[in-house]
Amino acid sequence: EPEVTQTPSHQVTQMGQEVILRCVPISNHLYFYWYRQILGQKVEFLVSFYNNEISEKSEIFDDQFSVERPDGSNFTLKIRSTKLEDSAMYFCASSGLRTDTQYFGPGTRLTVL
Amino acid sequence: DQQVKQNSPSLSVQEGRISILNCDYTNSMFDYFLWYKKYPAEGPTFLISISSIKDKNEDGRFTVFLNKSAKHLSLHIVPSQPGDSAVYFCAAFFSGTYKYIFGTGTRLKVLA
Repeated sequence: EPEVTQTPSHQVTQMGQEVILRCVPISNHLYFYWYRQILGQKVEFLVSFYNNEISEKSEIFDDQFSVERPDGSNFTLKIRSTKLEDSAMYFCASSGLRTDTQYFGPGTRLTVL
Repeated sequence: DQQVKQNSPSLSVQEGRISILNCDYTNSMFDYFLWYKKYPAEGPTFLISISSIKDKNEDGRFTVFLNKSAKHLSLHIVPSQPGDSAVYFCAAFFSGTYKYIFGTGTRLKVLA
């Protein structure tokens, strides 16, 4: 069964450093998403991406964040200058159509020291 | 912004019995609801969904009920199995957006 994959599974970084989290969505999906879950809190939407542009973003997704689909398979989330409060699990998701079910990857645990 | 709430942080059920997980929402514009299961160190796994035009959807041991007047949905698992032990999230979606709004989750423990 096709699945969303994410790398790395765990990323540790120093405050102020840039990180890039990578995702490979399900191959025939057209809509891509990033969510995050701070420890003990709910899963929160960050951004959605379709047709090579952002279609919606939350207030969390400020200028420190960017997304890109550099090739036909990868979808990346970049955090330009990490802060302590960026420590969280980051989940990538994809769907075939906007109203289709979103399928989630296993997540990347980001730890900012 | 608590548009989707799961008021029970945890639930314990004996194996073979029914598990009932509840979810309340405030935004009447939601037109699609989903339940996800999450194991530690894994991503949310889709379980079952329901459109706002329906009041029940069933898939094997899982049934979701929607009460629009009460803005309430529930997930029934019958019979519960130890492998069902996980955190269950309800999520809501409305057609004008791209995002899911998640509840805070309920940790289900099925006792053997």
